[in-house]
Amino acid sequence: QQQVKQSPQSLIVQKGGISIINCAYENTAFDYFPWYQQFPGKGPALLIAIRPDVSEKKEGRFTISFNKSAKQFSLHIMDSQPGDSATYFCAASSGEAAGNKLTFGGGTRVLVKP
Amino acid sequence: SQTIHQWPATLVQPVGSPLSLECTVEGTSNPNLYWYRQAAGRGLQLLFYSVGIGQISSEVPQNLSASRPQDRQFILSSKKLLLSDSGFYLCAWSTRQGVNEGQPQHFGDGTRLSIL
Repeated sequence: QQQVKQSPQSLIVQKGGISIINCAYENTAFDYFPWYQQFPGKGPALLIAIRPDVSEKKEGRFTISFNKSAKQFSLHIMDSQPGDSATYFCAASSGEAAGNKLTFGGGTRVLVKP
Repeated sequence: SQTIHQWPATLVQPVGSPLSLECTVEGTSNPNLYWYRQAAGRGLQLLFYSVGIGQISSEVPQNLSASRPQDRQFILSSKKLLLSDSGFYLCAWSTRQGVNEGQPQHFGDGTRLSIL
């Protein structure tokens, strides 16, 4: 019930293309869905996040789409750039009552080819 | 602004030796604190979290322990390291200032631990 399933495990996209990463969850108590970007040797950095009362959120080239009924959410990276090459993690949280713990997906390694 | 510090950045230890990794947070008070381990090319596994001084919750039974002696200090320890303790250890914090909704966690840059 606590799992967050992320796909694909890796993807290669040409510069200027769209990267799409999908996540699915089971726990309906989750109320916060962040995405993290991690470069080799560094800690994950918060990229963008969404709450279930919103179906889409856009920040620059990054967009989260959220489907509450399907319990799925996705990250779209528009106009992908070589600097976007990193590992991306989706996550979900059920708030302070659960210690604000995050349940992470398994990660997607994105490679943007110039 | 808030910052999180972890040290050391890299550590090589022999099997059976003790371990102490330290994490401190600046610019906030009464944060939730977290220790994660990340195996090479894998996701993040939550090891411990703390909602206050002296309050530690363990997520995975193992050879490690955690302590929170001060509000913004979180320590990961082991009395005797195993080969399987190798990995990338990450500390994170989140706000808990009376907010019930899920909040982002902010990560340090980690400690790369190699056990020989």
